[in-house]
Amino acid sequence: NAGVTQTPKFQVLKTGQSMTLQCAQDMNHNSMYWYRQDPGMGLRLIYYSASEGTTDKGEVPNGYNVSRLNKREFSLRLESAAPSQTSVYFCASSERGEYYGYTFGSGTRLTVV
Amino acid sequence: LAKTTQPISMDSYEGQEVNITCSHNNIATNDYITWYQQFPSQGPRFIIQGYKTKVTNEVASLFIPADRKSSTLSLPRVSLSDTAVYYCLVGDHNSGNTPLVFGKGTRLSVIA
Repeated sequence: NAGVTQTPKFQVLKTGQSMTLQCAQDMNHNSMYWYRQDPGMGLRLIYYSASEGTTDKGEVPNGYNVSRLNKREFSLRLESAAPSQTSVYFCASSERGEYYGYTFGSGTRLTVV
Repeated sequence: LAKTTQPISMDSYEGQEVNITCSHNNIATNDYITWYQQFPSQGPRFIIQGYKTKVTNEVASLFIPADRKSSTLSLPRVSLSDTAVYYCLVGDHNSGNTPLVFGKGTRLSVIA
């Protein structure tokens, strides 16, 4: 089925460890996004890539880096994980950024201990 | 993006119509009103978008008064499976350079 695939679905890290969250979409979308969602909160934008080869910071970029590997893939890296980064991470894609056209993945639940 | 205000939570019994109102006093001329739905443990999904008057699809209706300073998402005859968080977003729907910014949304709980 077409959509956005995120891996892994669950991860537990120790403080200071690093990891990369993977995201791939097969809809030939130009734009991709990383959001985080904390309990009882809405989604907050970490980074986005309006098109292949470009990335921009969102509301909460500190502690994260991203790579738009190609048109399909957009990865999020935590270089030195902190407990404050415990959250559910969602990747999304859209054709040209139209507000009605976002497709989200099922999320990665990350716990940093 | 225009700031939006919506209730934090709502409860409803199965079979009732649910209306969620969103306030957006600073909506701009080019802005559309877009609603997303998020089920537990899933990412949000688009449900409806409108500019003025009324829009209806298989999931919901969206009512927008003439001044466009508010909008109401209407869910007819809700079931337990409509339990979700509903987000109201206002912005230029063709903006390729301004990503969606989500507020806290309205948490709808449907009770049997």
